[in-house]
Amino acid sequence: AQSVTQPDIHITVSEGASLELRCNYSYGATPYLFWYVQSPGQGLQLLLKYFSGDTLVQGIKGFEAEFKRSQSSFNLRKPSVHWSDAAEYFCAVGGSGAGSYQLTFGKGTKLSVIP
Amino acid sequence: KAGVTQTPRYLIKTRGQQVTLSCSPISGHRSVSWYQQTPGQGLQFLFEYFSETQRNKGNFPGRFSGRQFSNSRSEMNVSTLELGDSALYLCASSLAVGQPQHFGDGTRLSIL
Repeated sequence: AQSVTQPDIHITVSEGASLELRCNYSYGATPYLFWYVQSPGQGLQLLLKYFSGDTLVQGIKGFEAEFKRSQSSFNLRKPSVHWSDAAEYFCAVGGSGAGSYQLTFGKGTKLSVIP
Repeated sequence: KAGVTQTPRYLIKTRGQQVTLSCSPISGHRSVSWYQQTPGQGLQFLFEYFSETQRNKGNFPGRFSGRQFSNSRSEMNVSTLELGDSALYLCASSLAVGQPQHFGDGTRLSIL
């Protein structure tokens, strides 16, 4: 069964500081990996995705993530955080078993930004 | 291009009632998935539909059901509501297996 672990429940950073959110996954084959962001009262917005190929993927809003197969990780990074980045971030792994398609999400990391 | 539209945005029901939530996917998307989000359990997969067929179902009781219409719009129904069904219900659509899922803003269901 697929699973995702986000070890950090809550992270606080100062505006302008760098950010790294951790994500570890468990999946039997090559996974589809995603990062989503959720602002209060809203749905999930896709930040970036990894399907195959280059292990460093670029996303929207200046985010990037690196797929490391040996560590089963897909950490999200941003070099300089803006106050508007405060939100909850979810890592997800997608499987296509039995011709279907479902995402398994981590519990999320809430990001607070200090001005 | 319009995004995923979920209606209604908010619902208040009482225990024992039933409820139907609606989801209109992005035009051209044939796969629709439903998720339940709660503070305790996080985001959990409910079911996925493709071309009017349920292809996969998560670990939820039979009170949770859904369907998809020929225009790819989907509905989910919850019968005999319980307090624990209070949650944000999210719908997502995608072009095909492996393509990113795009989410609506959800329906906030509160059970009194």
